[in-house]
Amino acid sequence: GESVGLHLPTLSVQEGDNSIINCAYSNSASDYFIWYKQESGKGPQFIIDIRSNMDKRQGQRVTVLLNKTVKHLSLQIAATQPGDSAVYFCAERPTNQAGTALIFGKGTTLSVSS
Amino acid sequence: EPEVTQTPSHQVTQMGQEVILRCVPISNHLYFYWYRQILGQKVEFLVSFYNNEISEKSEIFDDQFSVERPDGSNFTLKIRSTKLEDSAMYFCASSATGSGEQFFGPGTRLTVL
Repeated sequence: GESVGLHLPTLSVQEGDNSIINCAYSNSASDYFIWYKQESGKGPQFIIDIRSNMDKRQGQRVTVLLNKTVKHLSLQIAATQPGDSAVYFCAERPTNQAGTALIFGKGTTLSVSS
Repeated sequence: EPEVTQTPSHQVTQMGQEVILRCVPISNHLYFYWYRQILGQKVEFLVSFYNNEISEKSEIFDDQFSVERPDGSNFTLKIRSTKLEDSAMYFCASSATGSGEQFFGPGTRLTVL
């Protein structure tokens, strides 16, 4: 079935460390993946996306890696800061039809201590 | 920076009552979405809307739900007869092309008593 999940519900790191948040997806037809950050009481905020024809994409302090062979997605955050503390969701789009649903995973809560 | 806005931020209603949640998508976007998030759980897709009609809907989006774009700026979600289990955060999102990033609003917290 269509499902996106994260390997760990929580991740605790020290300020300045690098963080890696993982996600496994199940639908081989998914062509688009997004990482969202959600702070308490707010809506999901876009971090970075990647299409299925890529295996790596870098942003500011963040990198997304896509391994289609094992259907695995990861978000790397460099030099993690207290402001990075939030719940991180991966999401996939199971079809290439425009305007269709994003399927979200369960989320990983990142806690950054200084 | 343009953003999706939603009103109200919090809606409390009695079971069986109708509620309308309102959203103003980003102005040049063409695709609109509603998602919900029950407390502590993942975000779930409800419905997508394009060119004045529903593009896709989930099993959650039953006959009690409807969406409308009453004018050039608003996008609404109506729940005709609310149930206790409808209590959740409801997020509106919009996208420019339908194949890219979906921008989310801050959400409306719906509490059904």
